[in-house]
Amino acid sequence: DGGITQSPKYLFRKEGQNVTLSCEQNLNHDAMYWYRQDPGQGLRLIYYSQIVNDFQKGDIAEGYSVSREKKESFPLTVTSAQKNPTAFYLCASSRTSGTPYNEQFFGPGTRLTVL
Amino acid sequence: ELKVEQNPLFLSMQEGKNYTIYCNYSTTSDRLYWYRQDPGKSLESLFVLLSNGAVKQEGRLMASLDTKARLSTLHITAAVHDLSATYFCAVYSGAGSYQLTFGKGTKLSVIP
Repeated sequence: DGGITQSPKYLFRKEGQNVTLSCEQNLNHDAMYWYRQDPGQGLRLIYYSQIVNDFQKGDIAEGYSVSREKKESFPLTVTSAQKNPTAFYLCASSRTSGTPYNEQFFGPGTRLTVL
Repeated sequence: ELKVEQNPLFLSMQEGKNYTIYCNYSTTSDRLYWYRQDPGKSLESLFVLLSNGAVKQEGRLMASLDTKARLSTLHITAAVHDLSATYFCAVYSGAGSYQLTFGKGTKLSVIP
C-alpha cells in the first residue's frame, strides 16, 4: 500500500530537549511538507522540500530544522529554541508535475506535548 | 500575503438540511483544495478545483470555484451525522507556488 507514515504517534518532550519527528512516504512524490496545527486552527507551513538535498522555510520555521537526504524521508527536528512546541504535526507529500500536481496527501500526524 | 477566510467557523445543522460553507481568498490562485478532518485525525482530500467554474460532487458534498470572485463553496445536501467533521479549504499563492495556505476550518456538527 502506498502512503505516508509518521512516527511516533505521540511524543513527549522535556524543556530544553530536541526531538525528531519521522516522516516517510512510498508514493514516489518529489515534494514533502511539514505543517503545525494548533487546537481550533488551520495548518501552518513549517518547511517544505521540492527535491532531495534542498528545502525552504515556510511561515513558521523558527525553532525547527529539517533534512532531505532521501526522496522518501523528511524528518523534522523540534529544537529547544521553539518556545511553544505543543501541537499536532502533519507531514504531507505531493507530485511536482502532471495534473493535478501539488495535491498534497497527509500522514496520520504526531502529537507533541511539552512536559 | 495570501489570506484564506472560511465562514462560518462553526456550523450546527439538523440532519436532512442543506447548507453552504464559503471560502474566500485574497490573491489570484489557480488551485483550490477542500479537505476533511475528523477529530484527532489527519486530513483527507475531498476535492481539487483547478479552473474557473469547476464543480465537483461526491455524495452529499458539492464544491465549486469562481476564480473571478476568488470564492469557493462547499454545499452540503441533506446532511447526515457521518458528515460531522472539520472542513478546510486551502489555496496555493500562485502559479508554481509550493506554499499552500489553509483557512481556519469550519467545524460541522450534524444533529439528529
